Amino acid sequence: EAGVTQFPSHSVIEKGQTVTLRCDPISGHDNLYWYRRVMGKEIKFLLHFVKESKQDESGMPNNRFLAERTGGTYSTLKVQPAELEDSGVYFCASSHNWLKRGYTFGSGTRLTVV
Amino acid sequence: AQKITQTQPGMFVQEKEAVTLDCTYDTSDQSYGLFWYKQPSSGEMIFLIYQGSYDEQNATEGRYSLNFQKARKSANLVISASQLGDSAMYFCAMREEETSGSRLTFGEGTQLTVNP
Repeated sequence: EAGVTQFPSHSVIEKGQTVTLRCDPISGHDNLYWYRRVMGKEIKFLLHFVKESKQDESGMPNNRFLAERTGGTYSTLKVQPAELEDSGVYFCASSHNWLKRGYTFGSGTRLTVV
Repeated sequence: AQKITQTQPGMFVQEKEAVTLDCTYDTSDQSYGLFWYKQPSSGEMIFLIYQGSYDEQNATEGRYSLNFQKARKSANLVISASQLGDSAMYFCAMREEETSGSRLTFGEGTQLTVNP
């Protein structure tokens, strides 16, 4: 089966611009998660979708971040307007249900805000 | 307080030797899971091993084993017979099933370098 796909792999934008990250989970995985790792720090949870519904968005840093998962398939994470502190690697993960080995991660999107 | 602590920012090991990567955790949940992930330079996060809080035996997956010491709240990863391809960043993570549902909390990672 195809893995979790994230696009783009890299993005460099100027402060104040908008960027949209996309995640295609494994087909049939109802659970989709967004995480991010800011420069050398730990990977932090952003939010969790179950199908198209936001199950937990407690990790979203502020209202400049908007995540959607229309139709319960792929998800987008939009940052508008981007700030310097938003730079980091954004990971997406999916699972069928959150069992022992349930999480498959994508390769991440490296976002650089200059 | 940190929920997951990885005290070794970097570790070095000779090829074919064993290495232990440390991880301690902090939770008041009775039901939780502990994970290790590997992140090579290519960027993807690869699942290595899982230990449930109620599992009595230490988890093993091929050359990977998890030294689970519940009373000490530690979940160290042991890699036996290191290979050059094991050079990567390693993350310990925890899932607190009572308080945080299915989301993971990660440590800061340990960069492992295997020397020939």
